[in-house]
Order: sequence, then C-alpha cells, then structure tokens
Amino acid sequence: QSALTQPASVSGSPGQSITISCTGTSSDVGSYNLVSWYQQHPGKAPKLMIYEVSKRPSGVSNRFSGSKSGNTASLTISGLQAEDEADYYCCSYAGSSTWAVFGGGTQLTVL
Amino acid sequence: EVQLVESGGGLVQPGGSLRLSCAASGFTFSSYSMNWVRQAPGKGLEWVSYISSSSSTIYYADSVKGRFTISRDNAKNSLYLQMNSLRAEDTAVYYCARGSGHTVAYDYWGQGTLVTVSS
Repeated sequence: QSALTQPASVSGSPGQSITISCTGTSSDVGSYNLVSWYQQHPGKAPKLMIYEVSKRPSGVSNRFSGSKSGNTASLTISGLQAEDEADYYCCSYAGSSTWAVFGGGTQLTVL
Repeated sequence: EVQLVESGGGLVQPGGSLRLSCAASGFTFSSYSMNWVRQAPGKGLEWVSYISSSSSTIYYADSVKGRFTISRDNAKNSLYLQMNSLRAEDTAVYYCARGSGHTVAYDYWGQGTLVTVSS
C-alpha cells in the first residue's frame, strides 16, 4: 500500500491557474476512474473537492477541476484565490483487498 | 445538518488499547458506509478502515490489520474503532468520514480525535 506521489508544494499568484499531479500505479489510479481530491486547511478536517476523477460535489466551485491520464491524476485550480491556500490530497481506489490509498499531500501557497 | 463527532482519544502506552467512537446525526446513518482516516502530526492522510452500511463488508489498511477492529451500531447511529496492541506509529488524529455513495469519496468528516501512543 504505497502512497500516491504528489509534489510537496506548488504556488501561484491570485488569478493564475495551478495543477497538482497525483501519480499512482496500474493497480490503483491507472485501473479505476475512482480518484478523489480533498482540501484541508490548517487544523481543519478535509473537504471533498472532486470525486470519480472529475466530478464536483454540490457547492464546490467550478474553479476546481480534475482529470486523469494513465497512472496520473491531476487537480487544476483556476483563478487562484487566497482562500485556496491549503493542503490538497488525492485518494484512489486500489482494489477490493487494499481499498483506498492517499497521496502524500501538496501544500498550495497563493503568493 | 450532518454531524460526525469523534470521541475516545487520549494518551495510551505502547501495547495498550483504546476504543474510538463516532456519533452521527443529521442523516440516515444505516444507509451509508463509513470509514476511519488518520493523520499523524504534521503528516498526510492515511485511510485506516471501511465498513459497509450493513457491516457485511469490512476492509483494513495493512498497517492496522489484525490489531484494529471497525464496527457500527446502526440503532445507536454510532461507528467504532477498537485499537489493540497500539504502537508509537499509531499516534495520529483519527477522523471518521462518511462514504458518499461513490467509492473513496468521503463527503462528511468529523473534527477528529487525537490518539497519542507513548510511554
């Protein structure tokens, strides 16, 4: 159950777009369209931002979008805002014996 | 309003046991799968365990298999995690998280309860 690989940090200026990658293997990200993304502000519980690779829950801004190619999923945030500064985690289904695996997390800094 | 409130965390010695609880309200608890996810201090999220709505299907992370037991009481709207043979590396904030109906999509989370394993 190795964690998915995310960059430790990304940054961008207000109004810009950034993309966070999440690399897994053919046993998890590559085999299922079951990748979710979570936003976590310091001291708070995570919040679901994207599920099933690219679907947004009700109430999540359409500035957040997800995609997947091969073993790598991506989260794109467009029109960066100060409130987007947080940690972001990807999560993938990894089969019935392993169930779920998270990425190591990416700290987003809005400059 | 959906609410998940964890309790039962605290300081425990290595090798000891602890039972976490998660009280659910604001939704039909018996209709949803539930999960435990933990976060070590300053570290990332780690999925710990899953239980289906009827308790018929249960999964564990390899790191806790054989030591932790997940259960639920739908009559009491409660989720539990019995943790035995605790190790220092089990030190973390433990969150209960509701399954949204979409696999590995957890739409509501509690505020977490801190478990510290130390002598």
